[in-house]
Amino acid sequence: AQSVTQPDIHITVSEGASLELRCNYSYGATPYLFWYVQSPGQGLQLLLKYFSGDTLVQGIKGFEAEFKRSQSSFNLRKPSVHWSDAAEYFCAVAPSSGGYQKVTFGTGTKLQVIP
Amino acid sequence: DAGVIQSPRHEVTEMGQEVTLRCKPISGHNSLFWYRQTMMRGLELLIYFNNNVPIDDSGMPEDRFSAKMPNASFSTLKIQPSEPRDSAVYFCASSLHISQETQYFGPGTRLLVL
Repeated sequence: AQSVTQPDIHITVSEGASLELRCNYSYGATPYLFWYVQSPGQGLQLLLKYFSGDTLVQGIKGFEAEFKRSQSSFNLRKPSVHWSDAAEYFCAVAPSSGGYQKVTFGTGTKLQVIP
Repeated sequence: DAGVIQSPRHEVTEMGQEVTLRCKPISGHNSLFWYRQTMMRGLELLIYFNNNVPIDDSGMPEDRFSAKMPNASFSTLKIQPSEPRDSAVYFCASSLHISQETQYFGPGTRLLVL
């Protein structure tokens, strides 16, 4: 069974600073990988996803993520954080073998942006 | 597209009462998921359906919880009787297929059981 780990529960960055949120997964093959964002009081919204191909994936709101097979990681990055990026971020993994298998979400990383 | 629709958005009830949460998935999506989110436990998958059939309900915490999907455009999550520890935000999500596709989340139902 697949699993996903987000080692940072809470991160604080200054507005304009760069951001990297960590995500590590466990799966026997290359899985499908996702990053979602949840703003306060809202549902989850997809930022980006990786299925295959180029390991650097561009998403919405200026986010990108890089799949590194050797490290079993799919870290989320943004070069310059805006105050509106304050939210909780979830990494998720799904099996690439298809079938009736569920997506597994990480425990989330809460991002605080300070002026 | 209207997205995933959930109702009610907020529910306050007393312990012992029956609670029914409703979800309308995005038209054409074959898979539907119910999640519960709390501060203590994070986002938990309760149950998911594919083509209206429950595939995995291992996340349903107790027999007090039940979920149905009578057709492709409607699902309910029922708690009977409700308890204060059921207080949480309940999300419904849908996707084209179970594993490979993006899940689209509804706005959630914030449940408070007194």
